[in-house]
Amino acid sequence: QVQLQESGPGLVKPSQTLSLTCTVSGASISSDGHYWNWIRHHPGKGLQWIGYFYSGGSTYYNPSLTSRLSVSADTSRNQFSLKLTSVTAADTAVYYCAGGREYQLNAFDFWGQGTTVTVSS
Amino acid sequence: DIQMTQSPSSLSASVGDRVTISCRASQIVSTYLNWYQQKPGKAPKLLIYGASSLQSGVPSRFSGRGSGTDFTLTITSLQPEDFATYYCQQSYTMYSFGQGTKLEL
Repeated sequence: QVQLQESGPGLVKPSQTLSLTCTVSGASISSDGHYWNWIRHHPGKGLQWIGYFYSGGSTYYNPSLTSRLSVSADTSRNQFSLKLTSVTAADTAVYYCAGGREYQLNAFDFWGQGTTVTVSS
Repeated sequence: DIQMTQSPSSLSASVGDRVTISCRASQIVSTYLNWYQQKPGKAPKLLIYGASSLQSGVPSRFSGRGSGTDFTLTITSLQPEDFATYYCQQSYTMYSFGQGTKLEL
């Protein structure tokens, strides 16, 4: 059974960098045909896909976040990470990591429990 | 960007009812359409992928149809655990979600 767990600070000051890590168990993040995604849910609003790391090594980002975003992986620790720079209150959200498989066209099948990040001074 | 519009935004129903939720894409997304269920304080759960394929472990009372721009999620014989918020999501170009449909008792 694949399990994902987000970790990172729950409070980030405006203009600083938001850093989150997702630890995966039950699957290797370097296994062929897997996508490892970040998704967020703004309070009272909808879900927004942020970006992914693909098991082959490539990344793909939401164009609205590209200039501030970096998604990377540490295969030795079976973790992938999100860094979002120059945050504002608009980045306050519940952040999820989620996994998908190529044969399902990266439908988001495995999810972490989510971590709340608040941007505030 | 492809905009996903769900209707209705909220829906009241009773146990045993059949309900249908609609999702319309602003551009053709073929069958690159997924449905999720989310309960308060929990992560979304994948129900349907590829517009009509039932995810493993999901009860057969859930079904999806559609292609192009118009899609539906149908739940036959509602169970108490089905009252939740449902989202559609396209993966044809980037990834975007509908605004959600809250299914209430």
